[in-house]
Amino acid sequence: EVRLVESGGALVQPGRSLRLSCLTSEFTFDDYAMHWVRQVPGKGLEWVAGISWNSGHIAYADSVKGRVTISRDNAKNSLFLQVNSLRPDDTALYFCATAQHPNWGAPEHWGRGTLVTVSS
Amino acid sequence: NFILTQPHSVSESPGKTVTLSCTRSGGSIGSNYVQWYQRRPGSSPTILIYEDNKRPSGVPDRFSGSIDSSSNSASLTISGLKTEDEADYFCHSYDTTNQVFGGGTRLSVL
Repeated sequence: EVRLVESGGALVQPGRSLRLSCLTSEFTFDDYAMHWVRQVPGKGLEWVAGISWNSGHIAYADSVKGRVTISRDNAKNSLFLQVNSLRPDDTALYFCATAQHPNWGAPEHWGRGTLVTVSS
Repeated sequence: NFILTQPHSVSESPGKTVTLSCTRSGGSIGSNYVQWYQRRPGSSPTILIYEDNKRPSGVPDRFSGSIDSSSNSASLTISGLKTEDEADYFCHSYDTTNQVFGGGTRLSVL
């Protein structure tokens, strides 16, 4: 069974940075593109960023462009999200998810999420 | 860019059939595949439908998806409603640089 475990969420002050990680197992990580998706408590899902299997294709939501960097380490079966200049409206549960295909595709398997709270 | 709009909430009784809608603004519903996700409280989202009407293995055939070009919308139909179907349902579509979720519909089964 596909396993995705996010970590790195924390309570942070506005303006600070945070690096989220997603450790994966039980599937061939470099066969799939990956995504980060977030959900503000009580609100809907919002896609944040996606990356192809070889990092050749990367895309970001307009709401985070310029503040966020997605990356992956295929040797370590891991996905990362660097978020800079954190704002209160970045407060959310951040999920990593596999995509359906190596180069892109819809989110398919999801982790349980890691909570980021931005507050002074 | 495009937007997907879903009704905020729907209620139906056990055993009945319910259809959840998802209307696209900006472009044709048929331009990009539509997916549907279920999120139960305290759980991660799970994919119910992909590529408009395909079910992943393990998803009951009570769940079905379709698109309608005339209304520029997608639909998720759940038949034989069970109390365990009570959850939030999100439609989704994507292009080469963007992934868009609808705002979600809270389904109450009572």
